[in-house]
Amino acid sequence: QVQLQQSGAELAKPGTSVKLSCKASGYTFTSYYIYWVKQRPGQGLEWIGYIYPGNGGTYYSEKFKGKATFTADTSSSTAYMLLGSLTPEDSAYYFCAREDTEGIGDYWGQGVMVTVSS
Amino acid sequence: DIQMTQSPASLSASLGETVTIECLASEDIYSNLAWYQQKPGKSPQLLIYYANSLNDGVPSRFSGSGSGTQYSLKINSLQSEDVSIYFCQQNYDSPRTFGGGTKLELK
Repeated sequence: QVQLQQSGAELAKPGTSVKLSCKASGYTFTSYYIYWVKQRPGQGLEWIGYIYPGNGGTYYSEKFKGKATFTADTSSSTAYMLLGSLTPEDSAYYFCAREDTEGIGDYWGQGVMVTVSS
Repeated sequence: DIQMTQSPASLSASLGETVTIECLASEDIYSNLAWYQQKPGKSPQLLIYYANSLNDGVPSRFSGSGSGTQYSLKINSLQSEDVSIYFCQQNYDSPRTFGGGTKLELK
């Protein structure tokens, strides 16, 4: 069955970076997009962007350009998101999701909490 | 970017009631609209795609409709396990954008 397993919670200091992982299983990793979503506690969902592991192509929402960087390791079926220059505004849950060929986010990871605090 | 306006922001209903949540797109999204359910502390789960197609395993009391810029999610015979936050998302264009969410509570 399709699963997306995300890495554990992160506590980071302002100005540093964190790298979140999303390990896929149960399907052909290189045939589907992986997208990332931000959710601050008690708030709505913000779509960050996606990576296509098949060719490494990426797309970033304007708001997250320069903040997020996507990579993928096809040998381990793992997608990564690097969040840089962290501020307290980056404290949130981050989800990865598989986007099918029609643009539908059909499977989601369990989410990871990132806390930015000095 | 396509803006998604979801209403109401919160909703209180009794068990067995029928509830409807609306989503308005800022431009025609040609039925490329999904609905998600998010329970507290969990990730969103796909309920409906292509505006009216029920995802596998989703109870038939959930239904979606709409076209163009206007879409809705209806829940018939509300159950206690339906208490959640519901989001719409357009997948017609990038960036994919979400509605602000509807928090559904029991009266």
